[in-house]
Amino acid sequence: QSALTQPPSASGSPGQSVTISCTGTSSDVGGYNYVSWYQQHPGKAPKLIISEVSQRPSGVPDRFSGSKSGNTASLTVSGLQADDEADYYCSSYAGPKNIELFGGGTKLTVL
Amino acid sequence: EVQLVQSGAEVKKPGESLKISCKGSGYSFISYWIGWVRQMPGKGLEWMAIIYPGDSDTRYSPSFQGQVTISADKSSSTAYLQWSSLKASDTAMYFCARYDGYNSDFWGQGSLVTVSS
Repeated sequence: QSALTQPPSASGSPGQSVTISCTGTSSDVGGYNYVSWYQQHPGKAPKLIISEVSQRPSGVPDRFSGSKSGNTASLTVSGLQADDEADYYCSSYAGPKNIELFGGGTKLTVL
Repeated sequence: EVQLVQSGAEVKKPGESLKISCKGSGYSFISYWIGWVRQMPGKGLEWMAIIYPGDSDTRYSPSFQGQVTISADKSSSTAYLQWSSLKASDTAMYFCARYDGYNSDFWGQGSLVTVSS
């Protein structure tokens, strides 16, 4: 099964908003409300920032929000801050043989 | 506090075997699935396999089925990932992660595996 499709890069200035897309199929993103988003800073482990399409784990700022329409999920980062500069990965449940299918990752640059 | 602590970096030769570990603490180890994720140098995340320590139920990504073996020891709250014959293409960072539902909510710090002759 192919990875989910994300744009390789995104950018925005401090204070602005940026949206990252994640496109799959009806067998993964479109078929389940189990889309997650992870933030990974260089040399660090990924950190869960959105689960189940739009749920924020405790401690994650409300500047991070998630949504889904059809086979495409989106992560919006509002009020960009320097520390938001990182790689962002989406993932989706894709059935019992692919518990977590990842996107290729998007490098977010804060200009 | 939930913690997953992984074993250290390894340097191996092609054809050698390897077993890396991930020790969980701060939660009921047998009650959550725990999985492994590969990140090759400069590349993205790839889900490999998952195990439920309570009954050792396992699932493998089709991409990794037959290439690695996942296991867990309830008595030591430790999950393992092993290779019987490493290849240069196995060079990567490997992360373990606890699964709460269908997403991984806590991650280990990563174990770097380098395979080189």
